[in-house]
Order: sequence, then structure tokens, then C-alpha cells
Amino acid sequence: ETGVTQTPRHLVMGMTNKKSLKCEQHLGHNAMYWYKQSAKKPLELMFVYNFKEQTENNSVPSRFSPECPNSSHLFLHLHTLQPEDSALYLCASSQGDRTGPYNEQFFGPGTRLTVL
Amino acid sequence: GENVEQHPSTLSVQEGDSAVIKCTYSDSASNYFPWYKQELGKGPQLIIDIRSNVGEKKDQRIAVTLNKTAKHFSLHITETQPEDSAVYFCAASISGTGRRALTFGSGTRLQVQP
Repeated sequence: ETGVTQTPRHLVMGMTNKKSLKCEQHLGHNAMYWYKQSAKKPLELMFVYNFKEQTENNSVPSRFSPECPNSSHLFLHLHTLQPEDSALYLCASSQGDRTGPYNEQFFGPGTRLTVL
Repeated sequence: GENVEQHPSTLSVQEGDSAVIKCTYSDSASNYFPWYKQELGKGPQLIIDIRSNVGEKKDQRIAVTLNKTAKHFSLHITETQPEDSAVYFCAASISGTGRRALTFGSGTRLQVQP
């Protein structure tokens, strides 16, 4: 595998389900990101992690819970979602140093989420 | 915070023609301006970027220009081909000291007619 991979590619869930999205980067980067892409807001930053520490939470509702166990893996745990949360969820990674991530980001293909 | 506006939202050109997409930004401290191309079913891919110490940058058929005084930057694609059809996003951020994450424009859907 090369670049940034995301699984699953498609996910359909009910509002009471709990599911997780997974992202893995094979680029040796230190920073990872979650974005939400929808028709209303094309690329909306959700979370940023640098060296496994969360550095940015863009006022995301608590029904979205990120986890970054190491610099190569990023998860987004989902519970009690609403139909308006249906969107494409994109993961990205970039290089970084201890003062913060760099801005040249590489994106995965995304997970298309549908909440019924 | 930063605000990036992108125009047009859709653009249709004939194969071989040029295409221009324009963006404006609000924060004069922004110094890094990438452009991403997103094809159907894929994530955005970085195609070119420019930093504030440069006015223009070219890479084969694509070029980006930056006017810091007016706070706008543009993507130029020459000799367009059907495979250039995609959604293009501009972004602005602060790179280096006091770095800030990317703020994206709303996207331009480019359709190249064969």
C-alpha cells in the first residue's frame, strides 16, 4: 500500500449504530487530519493531530470521536449520528515538526458515509 | 480567521482552450497557497503550490500567479484536455512560524468538452 488509505470506502449506518473509520498513511508523516466534505461545505477541517497529539478540534460535535494511536494511524469513532452527518470523510497526512504540522497535505480517497 | 473565496463555481471549456480559476483571501499573513485537483471517487491531490515570496510558478501546462497586494491568486491551465475535468480547490494558510491549517475555497467544477 502506498500513500494514504481509508477503510471502509462506503458505510451505511443507522442513527443508533456505532462505527469507526480507519485511516493509515504510508508516507512517514507526523501529522494527520480528518475533513468532512459535503455539498454545503466542500472541505471542512474537523481534527488535526501532530505527533499523536490533537492540535485542532474545529468545534466538532462529540458524536465524532477521533483517536490517533500512532503517527501512521487515525480513527474516527462515530455514534448516535444524524442524517445531516452523511458526507464524504477524508483523511490527510503531512510532514511536521514539534512546533506543528506542515501544510503540504496528502489525501486519502475518503469514506462515503450515509446515515439513515 | 481566514476566508477564501473561489470563482467560478463551474467552468466549461473546449478542449485546447485555457481555463482560469480565481481565489481571494482575507488574511494578509497567509503565505502558502496550494491548489488541489479532485477527480470523481478520489481524494484531492496537490497539483501546484506557491509561496508569498514568489509571484508566479509554472509546471508544464499549469501555472499559478499570486498578487499579495490585492490578496488574490489564480490557477491557469493551458491546452486543456478531457482528463483535466475535475473539481479544483484553492487554499490559503500560514506556513512556518505561527503556522495555521489550510482554509479551502468552495471549489470549481471544470468540464473540458472534447
